[in-house]
Amino acid sequence: SAVISQKPSRDICQRGTSLTIQCQVDSQVTMMFWYRQQPGQSLTLIATANQGSEATYESGFVIDKFPISRPNLTFSTLTVSNMSPEDSSIYLCSVAPLASTDTQYFGPGTRLTVL
Amino acid sequence: KQEVTQIPAALSVPEGENLVLNCSFTDSAIYNLQWFRQDPGKGLTSLLLIQSSQREQTSGRLNASLDKSSGRSTLYIAASQPGDSATYLCAVSGNTPLVFGKGTRLSVIA
Repeated sequence: SAVISQKPSRDICQRGTSLTIQCQVDSQVTMMFWYRQQPGQSLTLIATANQGSEATYESGFVIDKFPISRPNLTFSTLTVSNMSPEDSSIYLCSVAPLASTDTQYFGPGTRLTVL
Repeated sequence: KQEVTQIPAALSVPEGENLVLNCSFTDSAIYNLQWFRQDPGKGLTSLLLIQSSQREQTSGRLNASLDKSSGRSTLYIAASQPGDSATYLCAVSGNTPLVFGKGTRLSVIA
């Protein structure tokens, strides 16, 4: 299994500002993902964080709004830019140690509230 | 595009009852199916993983089944306890990362 930590665990931010969320894994992993869970909703995939190249974004998510970095095999960041109250969600980092046949592990999440 | 549906959306049962949560998916070309538990304000805990070639998996009081051809899975919880109260999420993996259902919110009343 993989142990994942996220920072911050929660934050309250003002409209128009940006927040960077960090994800650290205790072992090297192939795949890292970022999900969003809006209030009362299930998880939606934002993007796949690719090591050494640009992230792959899902439909409805763009790099200008959610820039992602992945400088190595154990670390990634997600920035939520120019925030609005609609960005209030839980943001979760997820990893897959192997290819698609293995389980995905999830971090504890970052609870973001935008005022 | 894969879609995952979970029924019921919410369920309330007295302690000690056995219960079944349902999950259906539209594209049967999956690698595996996972059941997760999410407590309020917390991250996800993986409960059971069923590979596409398997029919079921068991862990303690939990049993998950998979019928890939019909696009269905069930999570059976035996002798439910108040500590089982949480949201249960079903997710499937294919050529893309996990696709989640909206979950079933379970309340077990003491």
